[in-house]
Amino acid sequence: DAEITQSPRHKITETGRQVTLACHQTWNHNNMFWYRQDLGHGLRLIHYSYGVHDTNKGEVSDGYSVSRSNTEDLPLTLESAASSQTSVYFCASSESGTGKSRLFFGEGSRLTVL
Amino acid sequence: GESVGLHLPTLSVQEGDNSIINCAYSNSASDYFIWYKQESGKGPQFIIDIRSNMDKRQGQRVTVLLNKTVKHLSLQIAATQPGDSAVYFCAENIGPGGGNKLTFGTGTQLKVEL
Repeated sequence: DAEITQSPRHKITETGRQVTLACHQTWNHNNMFWYRQDLGHGLRLIHYSYGVHDTNKGEVSDGYSVSRSNTEDLPLTLESAASSQTSVYFCASSESGTGKSRLFFGEGSRLTVL
Repeated sequence: GESVGLHLPTLSVQEGDNSIINCAYSNSASDYFIWYKQESGKGPQFIIDIRSNMDKRQGQRVTVLLNKTVKHLSLQIAATQPGDSAVYFCAENIGPGGGNKLTFGTGTQLKVEL
C-alpha cells in the first residue's frame, strides 16, 4: 500500500545544532507539505512543494528550509535549532490539480530542542 | 468551535449520542473544506470533505454542513462511539489562487463517556 513515512519519530537535540527530518511518500504525489503542531495553534504550514525543484515558504518558515530533488522526498532542515522549534512536525502530500486538496499525513516527528 | 487559547475546547458526549463539532472559517474565498480526526500520537486522518457549491454532505455516520453566509462548518457524528474520541480539525482551502494549501483550525477535543 502507498504510504507516507517520517523519520526519526522522536529526536532530542541541542540548541544550535542542525537537524533534518525526513519525509518519504510512495503515492507519487506532486504536492508535499511540512506542518508543525503546537497546542493552541493547530497545524501551521512551514514549507511546501508543488513538484521537483519547487519549494515555497509557508506562514512559519523562518529557521527552516526544504529541498525537493525527487518526487518522493521532502526533507525539512533546521539550520540552527532553537528551543522555540520544539514541536511535533507533520509531513503531508496530495495530488496536484484543483479539486484534490485532501492531504495524506505521516505519523509525525516529535522534536525536542534543549 | 475554535480557540486561540492554550487549551483545546472540549466536547463531552455519552456513548450512543450524536456529536456536533463546530468550526468558523476565516476566508470567504475558501472553496474546499475538510474535517480531520487526530488520535493521540498519530497524524491527522481524513474524515470527510465538502466543496463550496454544496451545503451538506454525508458519509458513514458523519455529516458535514456548510453555511457560507456565516462562514460556519459543522461535523455531525451519529451514534458516537468510544473510538470517536480524538481531536477534530477543520481545514479550508483558499482557491483558486491558494493552490493546494490547507489552513487548519485549532481543533476540538471530543471525549466519549461510557
